[in-house]
Amino acid sequence: AQSVTQLDSQVPVFEEAPVELRCNYSSSVSVYLFWYVQYPNQGLQLLLKYLSGSTLVKGINGFEAEFNKSQTSFHLRKPSVHISDTAEYFCAVSAVSYQKVTFGIGTKLQVIP
Amino acid sequence: SAVISQKPSRDICQRGTSLTIQCQVDSQVTMMFWYRQQPGQSLTLIATANQGSEATYESGFVIDKFPISRPNLTFSTLTVSNMSPEDSSIYLCSVDRGTNTEAFFGQGTRLTVV
Repeated sequence: AQSVTQLDSQVPVFEEAPVELRCNYSSSVSVYLFWYVQYPNQGLQLLLKYLSGSTLVKGINGFEAEFNKSQTSFHLRKPSVHISDTAEYFCAVSAVSYQKVTFGIGTKLQVIP
Repeated sequence: SAVISQKPSRDICQRGTSLTIQCQVDSQVTMMFWYRQQPGQSLTLIATANQGSEATYESGFVIDKFPISRPNLTFSTLTVSNMSPEDSSIYLCSVDRGTNTEAFFGQGTRLTVV
């Protein structure tokens, strides 16, 4: 079984400042890793995913994440946030051999003008 | 990508009644998933629905409470039966392309039970 830990439930950050949202996972098998964003009253949208290859993954809206196998982490970063980035961000993992996706509890990013 | 339509988008229901949520996908998919997102919490998988077979339920979820239909490769329904206020949640339908490389989500159904 897989599990995901998002270490911060809420992250306030000033506009144009950098941000890092932390995610750690555990699994006994190879995994795929994802970050999803949920804007208020909307469904989930994929920001980026790690399947294999380069450990630095670039996604939409200027976000990127780095897969660190030794630390079992997949932290999400953005060098300069915008008000429109205010949303909830979910880290997720799925086993390579199985399609079930396990989600973290989410991190609410609040961008302060 | 996959386009997923969920109906209704929201509903307010009386306790003891049932609500059926529909999920329509714009292309054929092997597996469809139903998630629940309780207020302030993450997504929890309810069940996995394959066409032509009975849904597979996760621990803590039972067919009598959450019956699922999957009549074809583009459609599924989830029924929330005998509702109580604790069932107030967002229910989301999800699919992937069978490659396990990305899950696509519907907009969700926001259910309030009074």
